Amino acid sequence: DIVMTQTPLSLSVTPGQPASISCKSSQSLLHSSGKTSLYWFLQKPGQPPQLLIYEVSNRFSGVPDRFSGSGSGTDFTLKISRVEAEDVGLYYCMQSIQLPRTFGQGTKVEIK
Amino acid sequence: EVQLLESGGGLVQPGGSLRLSCEASGFTFITCDMSWVRQSPGKGLEWVSSITGSGGSTYYADSVKGRFTISRDNSKSTLYLQMNSLRVEDTAVYYCVKHSPLFGNWGQGTLVTVSS
Repeated sequence: DIVMTQTPLSLSVTPGQPASISCKSSQSLLHSSGKTSLYWFLQKPGQPPQLLIYEVSNRFSGVPDRFSGSGSGTDFTLKISRVEAEDVGLYYCMQSIQLPRTFGQGTKVEIK
Repeated sequence: EVQLLESGGGLVQPGGSLRLSCEASGFTFITCDMSWVRQSPGKGLEWVSSITGSGGSTYYADSVKGRFTISRDNSKSTLYLQMNSLRVEDTAVYYCVKHSPLFGNWGQGTLVTVSS
């Protein structure tokens, strides 16, 4: 199975400041099609996860443009340009190049 | 608006069975692959199973293979997960998840508790 490793596991951010989460995969997520199967989710307290970013850098419908994704191969980053109070929760990366689909451990983001 | 409504969770003894359902609306169900993802209390996310739009292909995590069966009734826009030989470690919130894009929409989840 592909192992997804997120760092840091927790993050405390001042509102208006940037935040960054790293996700590393144990194998390349680059598909022969040219697409890279890396996804980012946010699980707000008491809610199901919601898709933020698909295929490394594509924002899902309704996701604010302060969220951005980047990376390639095995190293990926989710950036929040200016953290807002509503961004608190658990952030997960996930790979889908190979079954079983696997998630990172989660990164808890809180507001200072 | 996409809506996914899970039901069928509850308390069951080890070795017992449950069938989860997910009623979908707001999109053309037959065109979308679907999945179940679970989350144990206080833990992370685990992909459980997926099924193609036609129902012709199914996929399972090793942890549930041979015990769980995913299926769908496209005439009712409903996804199912038949869970047999349940174990304590199957205790989790089970989410119904729509693809296109992958895992783009999630239901609110249904809690399955396996305990004696």
